[in-house]
Amino acid sequence: AQSVAQPEDQVNVAEGNPLTVKCTYSVSGNPYLFWYVQYPNRGLQFLLKYITGDNLVKGSYGFEAEFNKSQTSFHLKKPSALVSDSALYFCAVRDVIGSGTYKYIFGTGTRLKVLA
Amino acid sequence: SAVISQKPSRDICQRGTSLTIQCQVDSQVTMMFWYRQQPGQSLTLIATANQGSEATYESGFVIDKFPISRPNLTFSTLTVSNMSPEDSSIYLCSGLSVGTGELFFGEGSRLTVL
Repeated sequence: AQSVAQPEDQVNVAEGNPLTVKCTYSVSGNPYLFWYVQYPNRGLQFLLKYITGDNLVKGSYGFEAEFNKSQTSFHLKKPSALVSDSALYFCAVRDVIGSGTYKYIFGTGTRLKVLA
Repeated sequence: SAVISQKPSRDICQRGTSLTIQCQVDSQVTMMFWYRQQPGQSLTLIATANQGSEATYESGFVIDKFPISRPNLTFSTLTVSNMSPEDSSIYLCSGLSVGTGELFFGEGSRLTVL
């Protein structure tokens, strides 16, 4: 079965510093990987996805993610953190159930706190 | 991107009652899902809402407790039946956008059972 792991419950970073939120995956076949962000009392918002192609994927709000097949990782990054980036971040993988049918499996989440 | 509207956004219910959550998508989606989330924690998939047929439930979730309907491509309901305090949670509706493979979420329905 497909799965993703987020090894850090919380990441603290100073405003203006680069940030990394880690995600590793376990899949059979080609991975379809996603990052989502959740602000307090809100639903999840899509940030970016990797399906194929360039290993560096750019997404919303200045975020990017690097797909590394040898390390089975898909870490979320941003060159310069903002206080407003403080939120809960989820990595997810798409699991193929049948022809044209899927499930999305989410990691445990990482709380990012950007300190002013 | 798809916009998903959920209602109610929150409710406080009495033990033993049932509540139906509605989910409306503004554009066509191929699949719709219902998730449960404890505040600040990960998402647990309850079921896949299938258009015009019975939902596909995950292990630990049953139709009698969580009946789901999806009468058309853009609308689904989740009912939480015979509620107990353990059902207090956030329930999230999501839809898989046609062609992009991106999953979009509603704002969630925060349910408190007393």
